[in-house]
Amino acid sequence: GIQVEQSPPDLILQEGANSTLRCNFSDSVNNLQWFHQNPWGQLINLFYIPSGTKQNGRLSATTVATERYSLLYISSSQTTDSGVYFCAAQETSGSRLTFGEGTQLTVNP
Amino acid sequence: ETGVTQSPTHLIKTRGQQVTLRCSSQSGHNTVSWYQQALGQGPQFIFQYYREEENGRGNFPPRFSGLQFPNYSSELNVNALELDDSALYLCASSIYRGEKLFFGSGTQLSVL
Repeated sequence: GIQVEQSPPDLILQEGANSTLRCNFSDSVNNLQWFHQNPWGQLINLFYIPSGTKQNGRLSATTVATERYSLLYISSSQTTDSGVYFCAAQETSGSRLTFGEGTQLTVNP
Repeated sequence: ETGVTQSPTHLIKTRGQQVTLRCSSQSGHNTVSWYQQALGQGPQFIFQYYREEENGRGNFPPRFSGLQFPNYSSELNVNALELDDSALYLCASSIYRGEKLFFGSGTQLSVL
């Protein structure tokens, strides 16, 4: 099955800083999603982005499917951005969404 | 944001028992997926149901089984519970296979 790798595993920022999270995947995908898991365990869908670029407020994401990676940008970070960010990919021949191990983000005031 | 609801929120069982977890999909969604998340790890795919039929399964033994009902609600059943089954169980629905997933808040299962 497809392999999904995320980097960095941990990231500590001061409030107001910008950051870039990376997701590499090992095979062609028809489905790539980014999630934020808050400290209470709730997974929130940030982007459905199998290719191209999308923006939602302070967050944006870019997927370059031909080079098998996706990036999540967080600008002007806030303490409420803290949590774990997951990338998940589904290969074109499968039905499962495979998650990476996540990036643990801590934003300090 | 999400209309996916799961019950119960927490559950404590002993080894060897059986458990049923429930999920109500977001309105209009005909696909439901179940995931297991161990502490400190990403969610692992258990299986997916589309219009009441299993549509894919991860690397979980047969004692993990599921159902999807005509109203698209779903159940996850686990027989002969083992200590390693202790985890957060997440249900997610989507409007169609391969589309954007919306997760419930999960059921935290502890097996003693």
